[in-house]
Amino acid sequence: EPEVTQTPSHQVTQMGQEVILRCVPISNHLYFYWYRQILGQKVEFLVSFYNNEISEKSEIFDDQFSVERPDGSNFTLKIRSTKLEDSAMYFCASRYRELRNEQFFGPGTRLTVL
Amino acid sequence: KQEVTQIPAALSVPEGENLVLNCSFTDSAIYNLQWFRQDPGKGLTSLLLIQSSQREQTSGRLNASLDKSSGRSTLYIAASQPGDSATYLCAVRPHGYNKLIFGAGTRLAVHP
Repeated sequence: EPEVTQTPSHQVTQMGQEVILRCVPISNHLYFYWYRQILGQKVEFLVSFYNNEISEKSEIFDDQFSVERPDGSNFTLKIRSTKLEDSAMYFCASRYRELRNEQFFGPGTRLTVL
Repeated sequence: KQEVTQIPAALSVPEGENLVLNCSFTDSAIYNLQWFRQDPGKGLTSLLLIQSSQREQTSGRLNASLDKSSGRSTLYIAASQPGDSATYLCAVRPHGYNKLIFGAGTRLAVHP
């Protein structure tokens, strides 16, 4: 069964460093998302991406964050200068199209900022 | 602003019990509602999706209902098993948006 994959599973970085989290969405899906979950808190939406552009973003998704679909299979989230409060589990998700609304999530990348 | 609440926050039951998890949302203008399972430190597994026009969906021992006008959904788990132990999350997709808004989850423990 097709699934969303994410790499790495765990990333440790120093405050101020740039990180890139990578995702491979399900191959025929058209909508892509990043969410995050700070330990003990709700899963929260960061950004959605469709047709090679951001279609929606939350207040969390400020200028420190960017997303890219560099080729036909990968979808990345870049954090330019990490802060301690960026430590969280980051989930990538994808969805086929309007008539099939189910979002499928990857296993997550645990980001630890020291 | 859409808010999603899940009750109870935690539940511990003996194996074999039928149980109900509750989800409520403040704005009935939604496209759909999705139930997920999350194991500790793991990703989200989609269990059921209910479109706004539907009243319920079933998958195996799971049955989810939706009452959009009252802003409520329930997830019914029949004949619970220890393997059902996980956190169950409810999420709504508000009308006009792509994103999902999540509740805090119900942490379920089923003991033998």
